[in-house]
Formats: sequence, C-alpha cells, structure tokens
Amino acid sequence: SYELTQPPSVSVSPGQTARITCSGDALPNQYTYWYQQKPGRAPVLVIYKDSERPSGIPERFSGSSSGTTVTLTISGVQAEDEADYYCQSADSSGTSVVFGGGTKLTVL
Amino acid sequence: EVQLLESGGGLVQPGGSLRLSCAASGFTFSNYAMNWVRQAPGRGLEWVSAIRRNGGGTYYADSVKGRFTVSRDNSNNTLYLQMNSLRADDTAVYYCAKELAAPRGRYFDYWGQGTLVTVSS
Repeated sequence: SYELTQPPSVSVSPGQTARITCSGDALPNQYTYWYQQKPGRAPVLVIYKDSERPSGIPERFSGSSSGTTVTLTISGVQAEDEADYYCQSADSSGTSVVFGGGTKLTVL
Repeated sequence: EVQLLESGGGLVQPGGSLRLSCAASGFTFSNYAMNWVRQAPGRGLEWVSAIRRNGGGTYYADSVKGRFTVSRDNSNNTLYLQMNSLRADDTAVYYCAKELAAPRGRYFDYWGQGTLVTVSS
C-alpha cells in the first residue's frame, strides 16, 4: 500500500525555522495537505494544495514541493506551534486518502 | 459556522457492532463528500472511509473493507458508519470530516471533535 514518510520528531528553539518533510512516490502527481493536531483536539488544516494557506492560518506557515518530497516550513516558531503535524495526500488513483505517520514538533 | 458532531462511540466486545453518527450543520451537507478518519490511542491518523455527495460512491481502507459500511441521510444532514465484526485494533477516536476536492487531490477542511470507540472484553 502507498505510504507517506515523515520524520518522527523535529525540535527547534523559539524564533527559529522548523522544516518538516513528507516523502512519497506519488507526490509529483497529487497535491499534499498539512494538518496540525494538538493534544486532545481534532486536526486543523494549515496548508492545502502543497502551498496554499487557509484563512486564519498565520503567515509563518508555508509549504513547498520538489519532486517526491514536500516540506512544511514554520518560520519564527512560537511556543503555540508545538503540536503533531501530519501530511496527507492520495494514492495514484486518487481513491484512497493517505496520511503520513506524523511529526511531533517540539519547541525547546 | 460549520459544525460536525459525532456520536455513538463506546465500549463494545470483540466481534460486536456499533453505529457512529455525525450530525452536520452550517453548510449544505448534500453538496459535499464526507469521510471518516480514525486515530488509535497514541498513534497517527488513518483514513477509514469516504462517501460521495449523493451516496452513490463509497470507499474504504483495506483494514475495514467488508466490515464497515458508510452511509448518509442528506435529508437529515447526517453521516453514518456501521461497524461490524469489531476487533481490538479498531479501538480509536473516530472523526468525521468534510471533504473538499481538488483536481489532484482530496482533503478535509472541517473535522468533528471525535468519538471514542473501545473494543475490549
């Protein structure tokens, strides 16, 4: 089955830039989406169509894509950004939705 | 304001059944595909099922195919997930999610708060 690969954890100090990657063979042909999830809460969409930001999401969140890897970048990380982040895409047929394993962002 | 409110979770024995509901409001329910996504305790997100706007197309993860059935009632703005032959590894928080479709992808712009299903004897 199709898989998306994320690093289990990323740590940064406040004010630094955090980069979270997501890799998958079908990513050149499918958009990627990113969700933020805080403990005990439902996921929140922070990036759609690789690099678009929903209304209400701070400008410090951005996304980019290069080949089979997409990257969520959080510039000027704040303590409130500490959360789990999941990438999501679809398999090559577009029928099945796939999530990455998640990355825990720790703000030191 | 879009709201998705799941209900129906609880404790069930292995091999048992449960039906989850998701009451939608704040948008035209019949215009959107809907999905179920689950999260086992301490684990990541797992897509479970999707249903097209009119209920004509349904899709399932391999892990639940043949055991779970998704349906919807557009007249009552409600999404359902009938879960049969439940196993311990079905234990999870189950979220309903509103889908948006793009030319090269599908994603979820709103999620419910989730309902916990525990499968244990």
